[in-house]
Amino acid sequence: DTEVTQTPKHLVMGMTNKKSLKCEQHMGHRAMYWYKQKAKKPPELMFVYSYEKLSINESVPSRFSPECPNSSLLNLHLHALQPEDSALYLCASSQVILVSSYEQYFGPGTRLTVT
Amino acid sequence: ILNVEQSPQSLHVQEGDSTNFTCSFPSSNFYALHWYRWETAKSPEALFVMTLNGDEKKKGRISATLNTKEGYSYLYIKGSQPEDSATYLCAFPDQTGANNLFFGTGTRLTVIP
Repeated sequence: DTEVTQTPKHLVMGMTNKKSLKCEQHMGHRAMYWYKQKAKKPPELMFVYSYEKLSINESVPSRFSPECPNSSLLNLHLHALQPEDSALYLCASSQVILVSSYEQYFGPGTRLTVT
Repeated sequence: ILNVEQSPQSLHVQEGDSTNFTCSFPSSNFYALHWYRWETAKSPEALFVMTLNGDEKKKGRISATLNTKEGYSYLYIKGSQPEDSATYLCAFPDQTGANNLFFGTGTRLTVIP
């Protein structure tokens, strides 16, 4: 099974709401990633987890809070977002973080709209 | 932030035509170069991961070459088909060599039947 699943597919939330995005993989990968993709721009790395520990936070505002409860699951908790946070949020995984020759497997993304 | 550039931004070709596009990346501290295909409403999918200067990789009608000394990679599609329509992204790991990818802006390919 080489699939990365993400839920929900679409999410509309107000600026005062709290919501969570979920990502799951069952390939035994120990590196998991969150990317943000705005229209006509490339995906931008937000967070990296390596062996369930946060490895990289690319200066992401604290209204985004990642969590890795176990090696298969990655969450992104959202609180007090701004309209400019509307984007496609992609999750990815790879075998390990320290080897850059491992391909990343991506989920289909969650399309987030903040109103 | 690494500067990874792709050209052209978009491309329209007739079915059966062959085409190619370019990814340019920093030539210092090279570790790997990734190519991904991203079809609309689907997940980005890895095509190739290239690590050696002069590398050539092939998957069906799609092939890629790598020149690490001058900092570029070419992706070739032979006999384009409508199902090849997608955005093709190249990505470059960060300067530590870890698998934190910086993506180019992509080449949007449309194959006209």
